[in-house]
Amino acid sequence: DAGVIQSPRHEVTEMGQEVTLRCKPISGHNSLFWYRQTMMRGLELLIYFNNNVPIDDSGMPEDRFSAKMPNASFSTLKIQPSEPRDSAVYFCASSPRLRSDTQYFGPGTRLTVL
Amino acid sequence: QQPVQSPQAVILREGEDAVINCSSSKALYSVHWYRQKHGEAPVFLMILLKGGEQKGHDKISASFNEKKQQSSLYLTASQLSYSGTYFCGTENTGNQFYFGTGTSLTVIP
Repeated sequence: DAGVIQSPRHEVTEMGQEVTLRCKPISGHNSLFWYRQTMMRGLELLIYFNNNVPIDDSGMPEDRFSAKMPNASFSTLKIQPSEPRDSAVYFCASSPRLRSDTQYFGPGTRLTVL
Repeated sequence: QQPVQSPQAVILREGEDAVINCSSSKALYSVHWYRQKHGEAPVFLMILLKGGEQKGHDKISASFNEKKQQSSLYLTASQLSYSGTYFCGTENTGNQFYFGTGTSLTVIP
């Protein structure tokens, strides 16, 4: 299996622009997680889905952030409008089932907002 | 809400053991453990669920004391490959999830 795929790997954009991060989970996995990591705030869970349904989005920082999972093989995290403080590495992870023994992380997207 | 990890950093010689602790002020449903090497994605190590349990594979194991809202990660006979930053993640009974600040572990020859 190819593992969790994230795109783009790097994104540089200007403040105010819309940013869309993409994630393809491992086939057959029912749960998907979006994380953000910064030096200041550490690792944060933003939102997670089970069977394409958002279970908890309390980690989403503001209304500027939104996430969707239209089907079992694709998820997006959108920031509109982006701000410099959104600069971070965003990870997507998938798991066979919620609270499973293993989550598989993607390589991450490094976002820089100028 | 953020769990407290201790120690913040530890340096070991190959073959030595280490314990990393994670404690929460909230009632917990589960505890997750991750290891991350510099510039790489976190690697999920294990999850421990409410009910109090101990898990392990290879020379890395963990325990979850539900009553104390604490979890400990045990690294036995450390290897160079164990170096990295270890994070605990806690899910409380309100389905809120928080990560600890991390423990930097360095194993030297």
